[in-house]
Amino acid sequence: DIQMTQSPSSLSASVGDSITITCRASQSIRTHLHWYQQKPGQAPKLLIYAASTLQRGVSSKFSGSGSGTDFTLTITSLQPEDFATYYCQQTSSSPRTFGQGTKVEIK
Amino acid sequence: QVQLQESGPGLVKPSGTLSLTCGVSGALISSSNWWSWVRQSPGTGLEWIGEIYHSGLTNYNPSLQSRVIISVDKSQNQFSLRLTSVTAADTAVYYCARAPPLYYFDYWGQGRLVTVSS
Repeated sequence: DIQMTQSPSSLSASVGDSITITCRASQSIRTHLHWYQQKPGQAPKLLIYAASTLQRGVSSKFSGSGSGTDFTLTITSLQPEDFATYYCQQTSSSPRTFGQGTKVEIK
Repeated sequence: QVQLQESGPGLVKPSGTLSLTCGVSGALISSSNWWSWVRQSPGTGLEWIGEIYHSGLTNYNPSLQSRVIISVDKSQNQFSLRLTSVTAADTAVYYCARAPPLYYFDYWGQGRLVTVSS
């Protein structure tokens, strides 16, 4: 199985800050990397697919980059509704695996 | 608007079988998408269970493969999950989701909490 490691596991930030979350794959996954946002009690929501393509309807404050084994999700101008847990997922091979999540909290 | 809705018992006895159905509206299950199940144990991360194509082709997570069956009912536009020989470790929120050809999940159900307990 391809292991996905996110860092940090949690972070505290203030409204208006910009943050970057990193996701590393245990082997190359080309650009088969996707990012989700999950709020308590809700299903995950797709933000970015294929490493850098913004899902329709998602704010352009979210952006993704990377290929191979190293990827980043950047969120600019954090707003209260952005405080959530973020997951990366690889679909380069089966089983599809997720990172352990990054919890973004209000400082 | 594509919508998915999980249904099924919220309580299953140990050694029993967990059965859930995902009803799909706003999209045909016979379209060029895979239909998946994902679970999330309380306080932990996300685990992919498996997926099915409308032809009946399936892929399962090897960690669960011996206990999982995913099936599709095109006439009802729904797909189902069966997980046998459950234990407390199978207690989780179970989500169904749609996966376009790149296999990311663009639409999710709201989730169904299934507790394994006697």
